[in-house]
Amino acid sequence: GDSVTQMEGPVTLSEEAFLTINCTYTATGYPSLFWYVQYPGEGLQLLLKATKADDKGSNKGFEATYRKETTSFHLEKGSVQVSDSAVYFCALSDTGRRALTFGSGTRLQVQP
Amino acid sequence: NAGVTQTPKFQVLKTGQSMTLQCAQDMNHEYMSWYRQDPGMGLRLIHYSVGAGITDQGEVPNGYNVSRSTTEDFPLRLLSAAPSQTSVYFCASSWEQGSHNEQFFGPGTRLTVL
Repeated sequence: GDSVTQMEGPVTLSEEAFLTINCTYTATGYPSLFWYVQYPGEGLQLLLKATKADDKGSNKGFEATYRKETTSFHLEKGSVQVSDSAVYFCALSDTGRRALTFGSGTRLQVQP
Repeated sequence: NAGVTQTPKFQVLKTGQSMTLQCAQDMNHEYMSWYRQDPGMGLRLIHYSVGAGITDQGEVPNGYNVSRSTTEDFPLRLLSAAPSQTSVYFCASSWEQGSHNEQFFGPGTRLTVL
């Protein structure tokens, strides 16, 4: 079945540092890929998405590129802020599926 | 628009008690779903619905029932709560079941079963 693997957290960075959160997936067919963010005490919000190979999703300075050859969708940001502290979830939605398959989440802590 | 709303925010139950977690959306979305979130496991699908009167099981359906009598509401019922159901529950909705559509999540219900 479908699965998503994320790097273990927590990831602790200083403000303005470069961020990478790794995400790889296993799926049949041609999935769409998503990054969701969960701020403390809140529900999940869509951060960015990519629907086909080589697409780049971007939002709020975050980027991720859909790499079919390496089955990856790594999240990057050039300069993190304290306000980026949250849990980040990688997810996929395969063709015809009725729901998302999530990774286990990666907690990011940004220190001033 | 209020988006996706869930009640209650917090609930404590004793083993064997029953309760209903409420979920409503005002975006006229056809697709609604329930997930549970447990530490280190991401979110797992419990049940989903592709429209009023249509529901189906997800990855972890045991111990939960759902119904969808209207487009707006999708309640989740625990008939006899067990400690293994201690979790945070999220309801989500989207326009259609297609894989490209963004799912909108509610704020969650934190449930503790003693």
